[in-house]
Amino acid sequence: EAGVAQSPRYKIIEKRQSVAFWCNPISGHATLYWYQQILGQGPKLLIQFQNNGVVDDSQLPKDRFSAERLKGVDSTLKIQPAKLEDSAVYLCASSLLGGGKGEQYFGPGTRLTVT
Amino acid sequence: GNSVTQMEGPVTLSEEAFLTINCTYTATGYPSLFWYVQYPGEGLQLLLKATKADDKGSNKGFEATYRKETTSFHLEKGSVQVSDSAVYFCALSDRRDDKIIFGKGTRLHILP
Repeated sequence: EAGVAQSPRYKIIEKRQSVAFWCNPISGHATLYWYQQILGQGPKLLIQFQNNGVVDDSQLPKDRFSAERLKGVDSTLKIQPAKLEDSAVYLCASSLLGGGKGEQYFGPGTRLTVT
Repeated sequence: GNSVTQMEGPVTLSEEAFLTINCTYTATGYPSLFWYVQYPGEGLQLLLKATKADDKGSNKGFEATYRKETTSFHLEKGSVQVSDSAVYFCALSDRRDDKIIFGKGTRLHILP
């Protein structure tokens, strides 16, 4: 079974530029999550989708971050414009079951450096 | 709100040593508890889990017991290997809102 795929793996941009990350979840997984992991900290949930609807985006900085999940499969996360403090690893995860079962499967992440 | 506190690293041990990484939590209700591991250059992987009090999760020689009375979920392994070098995250999931809350992670270095 293929795992969660993410691209690119690494990205370096200057502040005020825009960037987009792509995620392809495990086939059949209805729930998709985007996390931000700042160096030395645990992952922080940015947004959760159930199929193509948003379940929770309470911690997404909506003035600069946006995410979509078209057709309930792939998802993209965009930052526009980027700030220095957005430097982090962005993790995508998916799960088959909701309801807090917690068995989320993570992709390798995209390491973003904003200079 | 819900939170997870785990011991700060890095933790450095020699091969075959006994490992304990402490984790305590604060939660309303009855959360599920997890340990995730992140090997260098890879994504997080679920290592083990426990869904109710006194449950013991185990995998790859690692164990953790859900202790409701002490709100703890300490990770243990009797004999660590160099290949266990990674970052370990304690986490909880409140089944009411389907969110996972992660601790800050503990980096483990095992010396040959």
